[in-house]
Amino acid sequence: QKEVEQDPGPLSVPEGAIVSLNCTYSNSAFQYFMWYRQYSRKGPELLMYTYSSGNKEDGRFTAQVDKSSKYISLFIRDSQPSDSATYLCAMSAGSGYALNFGKGTSLLVTP
Amino acid sequence: DAGVTQSPTHLIKTRGQHVTLRCSPISGHKSVSWYQQVLGQGPQFIFQYYEKEERGRGNFPDRFSARQFPNYSSELNVNALLLGDSALYLCASSLDGSSYGYTFGSGTRLTVV
Repeated sequence: QKEVEQDPGPLSVPEGAIVSLNCTYSNSAFQYFMWYRQYSRKGPELLMYTYSSGNKEDGRFTAQVDKSSKYISLFIRDSQPSDSATYLCAMSAGSGYALNFGKGTSLLVTP
Repeated sequence: DAGVTQSPTHLIKTRGQHVTLRCSPISGHKSVSWYQQVLGQGPQFIFQYYEKEERGRGNFPDRFSARQFPNYSSELNVNALLLGDSALYLCASSLDGSSYGYTFGSGTRLTVV
């Protein structure tokens, strides 16, 4: 079993929809949780970063971490075609530790 | 401001050959990490360097090696290439090695034939 599980999709939604992306993990030592967006043939770009449990909001994006369930989520409100990309969750046991990535979820937002 | 620069962007090598990939971090960043991303998978950690010292190594064979230079740029070397080494190799830099402070480059796409 991989330490980080993420449904690869693809996920297709109409423009304006609310998107929910999720990851589960098995390592209870993970403390730092990140969401990256990766466009085709590009490197990952950090969207959201959360330490420990709780919610964090940044514009149309909301990240949630539930350490008791070992479950993290990213919500995208008012989705746009430009949001079409692969979304990767990543986590680490501490600052300076290596990132453990999920497989990524491919998202397509159709006009 | 220049981001993380990786070279070359693409290359094709034959099985058994050696390859060197290069990375220039963001100015002022002292840590460089290397990740391998196989098609359809998330990136997998290979190495982290901070202030020219190896700080971490992932579960990769000894054919993989790296180093960081006094100007904080870095090289990743892979010997005796296998078909399974075909992947996007990503370099990430951060100010102090903090995992939440990474900025990734666009990667080097390596194809082994």
